[in-house]
Amino acid sequence: GEDVEQSLFLSVREGDSSVINCTYTDSSSTYLYWYKQEPGAGLQLLTYIFSNMDMKQDQRLTVLLNKKDKHLSLRIADTQTGDSAIYFCAESMLEGNLIFGKGTKLSVKP
Amino acid sequence: DAMVIQNPRYQVTQFGKPVTLSCSQTLNHNVMYWYQQKSSQAPKLLFHYYDKDFNNEADTPDNFQSRRPNTSFCFLDIRSPGLGDAAMYLCATSRPGEFYPDTQYFGPGTRLTVL
Repeated sequence: GEDVEQSLFLSVREGDSSVINCTYTDSSSTYLYWYKQEPGAGLQLLTYIFSNMDMKQDQRLTVLLNKKDKHLSLRIADTQTGDSAIYFCAESMLEGNLIFGKGTKLSVKP
Repeated sequence: DAMVIQNPRYQVTQFGKPVTLSCSQTLNHNVMYWYQQKSSQAPKLLFHYYDKDFNNEADTPDNFQSRRPNTSFCFLDIRSPGLGDAAMYLCATSRPGEFYPDTQYFGPGTRLTVL
């Protein structure tokens, strides 16, 4: 069945880069997404990557996709305290449903 | 600004007392979703509407129902809430197209407490 795995916690110092990793199982995924969830809030779309791409950069965010290994990563450059949140990786299935990972809680220390 | 709005943001109900959560959107998206998210867990899809077509996930309890009277509004009805239904309920919308991703846009969520 479909499964998306993420490590649950990541702690970095302000100004460092953060790298959040995700693995997925369904090779038929069309798009892969990163969402950010701040405490008590909904999910905010950060970025997405089409499954035939291997990299996408958007300001401080870099997404890397290794389709062979079914591995997705999100790199946040110059991490700020405002980046503290839970980051969800999600894969889009052919029928349009999203399968989410359990989320990685990013803590940024001053 | 175009957006997905959920009301109320916080809802408290009693065990067994029916409750309705509301979602509205100004994006004119034809697909609307309801997710349940329990603490420290991934959002779990309950059902979605593709236009007027209702699609229920196989493991969504019968206790959960939905209505979509028009494109802009979608409601989640919990007929007899149990303690295990306490969660954040997220509404999302999307507009599938042939040449672009079927990206889902989420509302802020309604946190349901069951006493």
